[in-house]
Amino acid sequence: KAGVTQTPRYLIKTRGQQVTLSCSPISGHRSVSWYQQTPGQGLQFLFEYFSETQRNKGNFPGRFSGRQFSNSRSEMNVSTLELGDSALYLCASSLIGSSYEQYFGPGTRLTVT
Amino acid sequence: TQLLEQSPQFLSIQEGENLTVYCNSSSVFSSLQWYRQEPGEGPVLLVTVVTGGEVKKLKRLTFQFGDARKDSSLHITAAQTGDTGLYLCAGASTSGTYKYIFGTGTRLKVLA
Repeated sequence: KAGVTQTPRYLIKTRGQQVTLSCSPISGHRSVSWYQQTPGQGLQFLFEYFSETQRNKGNFPGRFSGRQFSNSRSEMNVSTLELGDSALYLCASSLIGSSYEQYFGPGTRLTVT
Repeated sequence: TQLLEQSPQFLSIQEGENLTVYCNSSSVFSSLQWYRQEPGEGPVLLVTVVTGGEVKKLKRLTFQFGDARKDSSLHITAAQTGDTGLYLCAGASTSGTYKYIFGTGTRLKVLA
């Protein structure tokens, strides 16, 4: 079975721009979660989607949004980028409708200049 | 706010040594997972513990869930250079609003 894939792997954007990251979960997994990882804050939960609905949301500003499509693929959007948004963005999928036992993609490294 | 504190934060040991990493919280978790992350990659699931007092073994790695389901430990016997990485515990909240949180992480370096 193919693992979780994320595109692009690396991205450089300028402050004020917006960015869209993509995630394809493991086949059959309907839950997709997004995380931000930084050296200072560690791994922080952004949101979780299940069956095209946002089920849970972390403590991030509204500039961070996401969606899930009928084939379970998910996208994450960050608008009005700030320098502090530079991070590794990780997507994880899980088999059932919860975030237990998550299977992560390789991440998208976003650098905001 | 539920927090998962890991200790130690950093650990550098020689190949062949034993080590234990701790994951502690003041809150009860319905389950805990342990992951290992290598540079430039996403975390990889190692194990899930669900029952208080549960012990699971994965080759040289032994995982234990505390009786009260508030803490967990990871013990590595005879560490190898391939064990190098960031170890993360994570748990699902038992509070009304579902939330999945990660520990602060333990960065392990095993020297040859």
